[in-house]
Amino acid sequence: AQSVAQPEDQVNVAEGNPLTVKCTYSVSGNPYLFWYVQYPNRGLQFLLKYITGDNLVKGSYGFEAEFNKSQTSFHLKKPSALVSDSALYFCAVRDMERGSQGNLIFGKGTKLSVKP
Amino acid sequence: DAGVIQSPRHEVTEMGQEVTLRCKPISGHNSLFWYRQTMMRGLELLIYFNNNVPIDDSGMPEDRFSAKMPNASFSTLKIQPSEPRDSAVYFCASSLGTVGNEQFFGPGTRLTVL
Repeated sequence: AQSVAQPEDQVNVAEGNPLTVKCTYSVSGNPYLFWYVQYPNRGLQFLLKYITGDNLVKGSYGFEAEFNKSQTSFHLKKPSALVSDSALYFCAVRDMERGSQGNLIFGKGTKLSVKP
Repeated sequence: DAGVIQSPRHEVTEMGQEVTLRCKPISGHNSLFWYRQTMMRGLELLIYFNNNVPIDDSGMPEDRFSAKMPNASFSTLKIQPSEPRDSAVYFCASSLGTVGNEQFFGPGTRLTVL
């Protein structure tokens, strides 16, 4: 069965320190992977995606993610965290079993808290 | 572009009442998704449309829920009758329905059923 796992419910980081939000996936075939961010009382906003090519993908707000096929992971990273990065982060993978219309399977979300 | 538009932003109703949530996708997008978000269950896909046709409604909780997309610029999600356990934030999202395209989410409708 297809799935996305975000093993940490919450990640706490001090401002200025690097951050990592973890994501692992299980799909058949080549995965299409996405990261979204949700600020309080807002909808999800697209951050970045991996479709093919370079394993290191750069996205909005200084975030990047590294696709690792052998570990089936797509961890989100940022070299220096900001307090304003505090939000809920979702990893998602394209559903390969329900057709080609772009349906995504989302993880449970990880709450990132950046302290000053 | 105004992005995905949802209305109302907040809805408070009493158990047994009919609730209709509305969504206007981004112009030119041909896929539309309805999600429900709760603390307990996270983000759940309810139904999605491609070119106005429902493709997969296996996430719709029960017959009380129905969704329509009469044209490319409008969709509704209806709950009749509503129950307290339907209280959640309902999101609409749209995308160009081809492989690899990201979804764009609306601001959501916060539904409270008393």
